[in-house]
Amino acid sequence: NAGVTQTPKFQVLKTGQSMTLQCAQDMNHEYMSWYRQDPGMGLRLIHYSVGAGITDQGEVPNGYNVSRSTTEDFPLRLLSAAPSQTSVYFCASSSFRVPSYEQYFGPGTRLTVT
Amino acid sequence: DAKTTQPNSMESNEEEPVHLPCNHSTISGTDYIHWYRQLPSQGPEYVIHGLTSNVNNRMASLAIAEDRKSSTLILHRATLRDAAVYYCILRDVVRAGNMLTFGGGTRLMVKP
Repeated sequence: NAGVTQTPKFQVLKTGQSMTLQCAQDMNHEYMSWYRQDPGMGLRLIHYSVGAGITDQGEVPNGYNVSRSTTEDFPLRLLSAAPSQTSVYFCASSSFRVPSYEQYFGPGTRLTVT
Repeated sequence: DAKTTQPNSMESNEEEPVHLPCNHSTISGTDYIHWYRQLPSQGPEYVIHGLTSNVNNRMASLAIAEDRKSSTLILHRATLRDAAVYYCILRDVVRAGNMLTFGGGTRLMVKP
């Protein structure tokens, strides 16, 4: 299993540009989520999904869109990038079938908006 | 949501035990206590979780106070690879499902 994969690893955007951060998992997990981590801070939840076709907002959803058309993929779209979105983005997945609800995190995408 | 309080940082010597404390005085009956750690430049990884009883796994032990208002993550023999930020997280299985709310965590430094 590759686990949770994220692309790209690094990205630099100009203010106003849009882009999509990719996330995929091969563990057949129902639950997927996106977090952002600003320097020296803990992770904050952006959006999450409990299954294909179902998404919901987390703590900091503004400026981001998500969709979940398949179990495996959960892309995060930045609609119009702003410097405040400079951060490291982590995707995570987990299964409701595992009692620990252990979440598996990807390696992260480091995004800089200039 | 119930919150956790952890020291900002702790230091340990290599091959010695480490006790990482966490206070959660407003914990509810449906809150599980989870610990994750984040190694430098990596995503968080699961360490251990528990509800009421002490728990052991290959990575660590979790000691939970009888009133559940505090818990301690125990690394039995710290190695240099254990240097990381450790997050104590309460997960409400009824309201929050799989969602995790991360605080600032404890940065553990391990000295050789």
